[in-house]
Amino acid sequence: EVQLVESGGGLVQRGGSLRLSCVGSGFTFDIYAMSWVRQAPGKGMEWVSSISGGGGRTDYGDSVKGRFTISRDNSENTLYLQMNNLSAEDTAVYYCAKDKGDYDNSGSPPFAFHTWGQGTLVSVSS
Amino acid sequence: DIQMTQSPPSLSASVGDRVTISCRASQSISIFLNWYQQKPGKAPKLLIFGAYTLQSGVPSRFSGSGLGTDFTLTISSLQPEDFAVYFCQQRYSAPVTFGGGTQVEVK
Repeated sequence: EVQLVESGGGLVQRGGSLRLSCVGSGFTFDIYAMSWVRQAPGKGMEWVSSISGGGGRTDYGDSVKGRFTISRDNSENTLYLQMNNLSAEDTAVYYCAKDKGDYDNSGSPPFAFHTWGQGTLVSVSS
Repeated sequence: DIQMTQSPPSLSASVGDRVTISCRASQSISIFLNWYQQKPGKAPKLLIFGAYTLQSGVPSRFSGSGLGTDFTLTISSLQPEDFAVYFCQQRYSAPVTFGGGTQVEVK
């Protein structure tokens, strides 16, 4: 069974940092693009960041560019999201998601989020 | 960014009802539209990708249609396990964006 388990969420002060982790199991981790998607309270889903299977290609949403860093350790089947300079607007449930495939020759992943984790809550206090 | 607008935001229905949910894009996205289901406290689940292709394991009572800017998710005969939030997502252009969701509730 394909599974994704996030951890690392919690309460952090404005301007602080947090690192989220997502461990994948039940599939060949390094051949799939992986993403982070978040949902703020009462809002819709917002794509945050994606990374290619090998880790060489990353993409970020404008709202997190320059503050968040996505990475992966394929030897540990783990996806990370390093979040710096957090603000109240970053308060959300963060989901990791496995894509249906990897980045293609045009430099984009399928962006069809096949499997999602249960999410981890990040709360930023002012 | 492409805006995705879903309607209605919520609906009440009974088991056996035919349910339709709409998703409109602010510009043409061809068929690059996915649908997801999310139950309370659970991870979202991919139902349909490419506007009408059913993800493996998804019951055939779910179907998707549309092209360009207007898309529809249809549940032909609502089952008890289908009460959930449904949301659409475009992957036509970066950044990918999501609709606000439609909550399907028990009538």
